[in-house]
Amino acid sequence: NAGVTQTPKFQVLKTGQSMTLQCAQDMNHNSMYWYRQDPGMGLRLIYYSASEGTTDKGEVPNGYNVSRLNKREFSLRLESAAPSQTSVYFCASSERGGLASGVGGQYFGPGTRLTVT
Amino acid sequence: ILNVEQSPQSLHVQEGDSTNFTCSFPSSNFYALHWYRWETAKSPEALFVMTLNGDEKKKGRISATLNTKEGYSYLYIKGSQPEDSATYLCASRRVGNQFYFGTGTSLTVIP
Repeated sequence: NAGVTQTPKFQVLKTGQSMTLQCAQDMNHNSMYWYRQDPGMGLRLIYYSASEGTTDKGEVPNGYNVSRLNKREFSLRLESAAPSQTSVYFCASSERGGLASGVGGQYFGPGTRLTVT
Repeated sequence: ILNVEQSPQSLHVQEGDSTNFTCSFPSSNFYALHWYRWETAKSPEALFVMTLNGDEKKKGRISATLNTKEGYSYLYIKGSQPEDSATYLCASRRVGNQFYFGTGTSLTVIP
């Protein structure tokens, strides 16, 4: 199993450019997440998808859109990149939560380091 | 407490010392508490998940405890080794699918 994969690993954009970060998992997890990690801020949730066909905003959704393409794939799109979006982006997946089901933690991808100039 | 807070922010210990750090989290709507180990240039890896008040988990020299009534968890490392150097993250999972992360404790073990 590859676990959680992300592409690209590195990207430099100019202000106003757009791009899509790709994420895929092969663990048959229902839930997928996008986080950004900034110095001194910890991991902050951008968007998540509890199951195929659903997406919800997290703590810092502005400037981003997501698509849960199928159960395996969850993409993050920056329509018009800004320097404030310079960050490291992590995708994660987990089993679906619920009081009667598993409480498993999240599995993280290797991250995408994005610089917006 | 509205946010997940971890202390100390960073820690330097000598090889062989034992150490511990704290994660504080909102006790309302609590579902699970997760600890992760995050090495530089890698992605976070799950260490423990705990759900019940009084839970204790152990993996080798690392152990964790949970108090859901007062909203805290401790992570202990016995006989620290240089390979234990990493950032240790905790995350509170409340009812629902969101995880709320602390900012981590950065541990450096000096040989």
